[in-house]
Amino acid sequence: KQEVTQIPAALSVPEGENLVLNCSFTDSAIYNLQWFRQDPGKGLTSLLLIQSSQREQTSGRLNASLDKSSGRSTLYIAASQPGDSATYLCAVVSGGYNKLIFGAGTRLAVHP
Amino acid sequence: SAVISQKPSRDICQRGTSLTIQCQVDSQVTMMFWYRQQPGQSLTLIATANQGSEATYESGFVIDKFPISRPNLTFSTLTVSNMSPEDSSIYLCSVERPGGAGDEQFFGPGTRLTVL
Repeated sequence: KQEVTQIPAALSVPEGENLVLNCSFTDSAIYNLQWFRQDPGKGLTSLLLIQSSQREQTSGRLNASLDKSSGRSTLYIAASQPGDSATYLCAVVSGGYNKLIFGAGTRLAVHP
Repeated sequence: SAVISQKPSRDICQRGTSLTIQCQVDSQVTMMFWYRQQPGQSLTLIATANQGSEATYESGFVIDKFPISRPNLTFSTLTVSNMSPEDSSIYLCSVERPGGAGDEQFFGPGTRLTVL
């Protein structure tokens, strides 16, 4: 059974820092991995999608890497801003049709 | 991407009643998904809804409790039946869209349900 773990559970940093959020999964047979952002009480915003054959994806200040063999992904946020404060969720698709299996998330607070 | 709307955005209901949540997408999609996010928890898939066929439910979720309709390729409903306080959650629908990097999933804004 696929399980997704995210570390740390919470993170508080001053503005301007570069951040690394970690995601690990137990079964390396994934189809893809997706990073989302969730603001309090809101839905999910897709940030980056990495196919199983890819090593990384970039969008603006965000860079996500994937090491499928070791069951790990990292989300790198450069020059963090208070507007980046949110919960970041990692999810993988594995085991057939496109069911997303989510980690518990990393709650990020960036203070001025 | 995909533009997804949900109605209602939130509701407060009495135990024993039922609530139907609507999900509308801006273009046709094959698969729609319904997720539940309990307070302080991450998301769990309830069921997958394909147009023209019965929904496929995940372990722990049953059709009598969460009936789903999928009348066309842009719309779906999820009903939470005979509600109890344990059903208080955010319910989200999502769709899958093929893109340059593969099949990406996009989520609606969610329906926040409180059961008293």
